[in-house]
Amino acid sequence: DTAVSQTPKYLVTQMGNDKSIKCEQNLGHDTMYWYKQDSKKFLKIMFSYNNKELIINETVPNRFSPKSPDKAHLNLHINSLELGDSAVYFCASSQTPASTNEKLFFGSGTQLSVL
Amino acid sequence: GQQVMQIPQYQHVQEGEDFTTYCNSSTTLSNIQWYKQRPGGHPVFLIQLVKSGEVKKQKRLTFQFGEAKKNSSLHITATQTTDVGTYFCAGPGKLSFGAGTTVTVRA
Repeated sequence: DTAVSQTPKYLVTQMGNDKSIKCEQNLGHDTMYWYKQDSKKFLKIMFSYNNKELIINETVPNRFSPKSPDKAHLNLHINSLELGDSAVYFCASSQTPASTNEKLFFGSGTQLSVL
Repeated sequence: GQQVMQIPQYQHVQEGEDFTTYCNSSTTLSNIQWYKQRPGGHPVFLIQLVKSGEVKKQKRLTFQFGEAKKNSSLHITATQTTDVGTYFCAGPGKLSFGAGTTVTVRA
């Protein structure tokens, strides 16, 4: 009955590989996000989708491609992984876009380690 | 989104003591939210402040929104080991949270 669930929890891979992280929310929210948290704890927005449409696309390498098949799912595909991609990636959702007063619900995170 | 700065970035507290973490913005904020992330965990929403001068309490945690709505504070009394974690504030938009204040507690 987890509200926002993402898989896998841990991902260890070699440089140059392609990998995907999946996220699903069962809260009925319209908006979903991907955040990247570096080793210094900074949480940076990467993408946001509202009802399957991309509404925020921050300065992220185009090796990162989000995909939202429906408003309950937002997946993140990463091509040609680099060492600097190592971080914790959090999926989140909110009822409406983050520009409003809505609170965010986060998934448990995916710890990505690129070797 | 509006950027907010938090200080201090790290807070090492003796169990039982009080401490305060501050969140500052150069512009007026329509609201501010606070989140807590336990070690190895994910950020969890704590509270939202909307009104000028608003004060809200959650057990030993006291949240305050400044009169000018440009700053906010989180005060924890009688710190316990369960308070360990990183506390983030986020302004409207919540596009980025900054580094937060990471709290460690010595017994």
